[in-house]
Amino acid sequence: AQKITQTQPGMFVQEKEAVTLDCTYDTSDQSYGLFWYKQPSSGEMIFLIYQGSYDEQNATEGRYSLNFQKARKSANLVISASQLGDSAMYFCAMRPISDQTGANNLFFGTGTRLTVIP
Amino acid sequence: GAVVSQHPSRVICKSGTSVKIECRSLDFQATTMFWYRQFPKQSLMLMATSNEGSKATYEQGVEKDKFLINHASLTLSTLTVTSAHPEDSSFYICSAFTGWGVNTEAFFGQGTRLTVV
Repeated sequence: AQKITQTQPGMFVQEKEAVTLDCTYDTSDQSYGLFWYKQPSSGEMIFLIYQGSYDEQNATEGRYSLNFQKARKSANLVISASQLGDSAMYFCAMRPISDQTGANNLFFGTGTRLTVIP
Repeated sequence: GAVVSQHPSRVICKSGTSVKIECRSLDFQATTMFWYRQFPKQSLMLMATSNEGSKATYEQGVEKDKFLINHASLTLSTLTVTSAHPEDSSFYICSAFTGWGVNTEAFFGQGTRLTVV
């Protein structure tokens, strides 16, 4: 079974500062993908960043970077230079990749609500 | 990038009526789509896996007769909430993957906010 844990229900960050959103996971799968999504109040799920379990380098996408520590089973999201528009819910998710069909679904954490303070 | 379109974005219906929600992959073929439900301030919970040309796979506790899923083509999956009741009011969102194995991306529809009155 897979389990995603986000221990921070809410976080505050000053505008232009960096913030780290925590995510740990538990899986017995050898091959998996880790995702972060942003969900603004409109409800849409916006893909932010992806890390494959065999990727040796941490993923980066613009202001987003993923601090992947495989031995600790953690995949923290780092947002640099926070902007007011970053205020939203953030979900960590994992997808086991146990076959080649690509049919495995995403397992989500409970989310962290980030508020950027001007 | 790949786009998943979900319609309608918001619907209000009377108790006892049925509501159909569409999920389309606009520029790729999706043999599998997923339907999630999200209660206010909670995470996404998988309801069912929609497979093109075959029956959907429902998660434990999800009533298959109430939440009818049809995946008739490689680009369209529909979720019909039958005989809706106020407790069915929720945010429903679909997703589909592109690529294979580790080289995959998941894309989500815009979501449908259902209110049953």
